[in-house]
Amino acid sequence: QMQLVQSGAEAKKPGSSVTVSCEASGGKFYSYAISWVRQAPGQGLEWMGGIIPLFGTAKYAQTFRGRITITADKSTNIASMELRSLRSEDTAVYYCVRGLKYHYEVGDLEDAFDIWGQGTMVTVSS
Amino acid sequence: EIVLTQSPGTLSLSPGERATLSCRVSQTVSRSSLAWYQHKPGQAPRLLIYGTSKRPTGIPDRFSGSGSGTDFTLTISRLEPEDFAVYYCQQYGGSPLTFGGGTKVEIK
Repeated sequence: QMQLVQSGAEAKKPGSSVTVSCEASGGKFYSYAISWVRQAPGQGLEWMGGIIPLFGTAKYAQTFRGRITITADKSTNIASMELRSLRSEDTAVYYCVRGLKYHYEVGDLEDAFDIWGQGTMVTVSS
Repeated sequence: EIVLTQSPGTLSLSPGERATLSCRVSQTVSRSSLAWYQHKPGQAPRLLIYGTSKRPTGIPDRFSGSGSGTDFTLTISRLEPEDFAVYYCQQYGGSPLTFGGGTKVEIK
């Protein structure tokens, strides 16, 4: 069974950037969509964007476009999410998540998420 | 953007009772594109239902999903102590993927 293990908590200043990594073990990481979902304190879940590592093209929610970059390295089984120009509202737990569908060819990455990383707390404060 | 509205916000019930959670979607989504998650404090969310009514391996059959079009329901037939949590619906039929605001099922 695949597991997703994320990097540790981060404390950042407003205006800076953060990169959260997600390492997959126990399965063919590159043929599944990997997305990033966040949850701000007391708020619900928010999809940020995703990528199918096999094909490499990321897709982002409009809310984050221009501030986010999602990448995945097929050789190391690591996905990463960089968020730039951080503000206090970006304080949240960030999850990497795996889509249900195994992709044999190029397709949509929209999916339900059956495997979740443990979450990474990112705190943005001056 | 497809908006999901969950109701009620909080459901106060006793163990053994039936829980019915609603998720209304702002535009028609395919039955194959609606999921439910359970979220407990300090843990990652867990997928309970996908494709409106399908359960992943390991999810107890007291959890069931139904619905179509714009109205979907998660039913927990008999609440166990470990079922008290927050539940989210999610649509994945269109981009961006969106979640409902959640329903908290609390012990009465």
